[in-house]
Amino acid sequence: QVHLVESGGGVVQPGRSLRLSCAASGFLFSSYAMHWVRQAPGKGLEWVAVIWYDGSLKYYVDSVKGRFTISRDNSKNMLYLQMSSLRADDTGVYYCAREDLVGGYTWFDSWGQGTLVTVSS
Amino acid sequence: DIQMTQSPSSLSASIGDRVTFTCRASQSISSNLNWYQQKPGKAPKLLIYAASTLQSGVPSRFSGSGSGTEFTLTISSLQPEDFATYYCQQSYNIPRTFTPRTFGQGTKVEI
Repeated sequence: QVHLVESGGGVVQPGRSLRLSCAASGFLFSSYAMHWVRQAPGKGLEWVAVIWYDGSLKYYVDSVKGRFTISRDNSKNMLYLQMSSLRADDTGVYYCAREDLVGGYTWFDSWGQGTLVTVSS
Repeated sequence: DIQMTQSPSSLSASIGDRVTFTCRASQSISSNLNWYQQKPGKAPKLLIYAASTLQSGVPSRFSGSGSGTEFTLTISSLQPEDFATYYCQQSYNIPRTFTPRTFGQGTKVEI
């Protein structure tokens, strides 16, 4: 059974850094692209970043480019999101999600429970 | 980036109702459209992928249709557990180019 567990959220001051982690189990982690998706309080879902199955490619939403870094350790089945220069509008629940791929179509078939990041002075 | 627009933003319905909501893409995305259900305080749950394929374990009262720029999600007979927010998400892939995944703003189904 696929299991994704995020950790590392908390309250942080504007301009500071935070690292989120996502522990994966129940599947061959090194075969899947992994994403971070966030949700501001009371708002909709926003895609944040993706990392290819082997870590070779990474892409980000424009609003976090240059501030966030996605990475993974396939030997430990771990996904990370290093967040720096945090701003109030980075506040929200951060989910890690697995992207499945079949026949050229992709979708997020498994999600973690989310970890809350609050950026506030 | 591809913009996704859902309508309506919310709707009120009763148990047993047939409900349909729409998702429109700012450009053609073929059938690269997925639907998720989210309940308060919970992670999203995949319902439909590739526009019309029901995810394993999802009740058959859920169905999706459409291609190109216009898509619909239908619940044939609304059940108490279906009151939630529904999001569409595009996953259009251009060869050798990554297209940022984008979500619609959601449709909240209320009693």
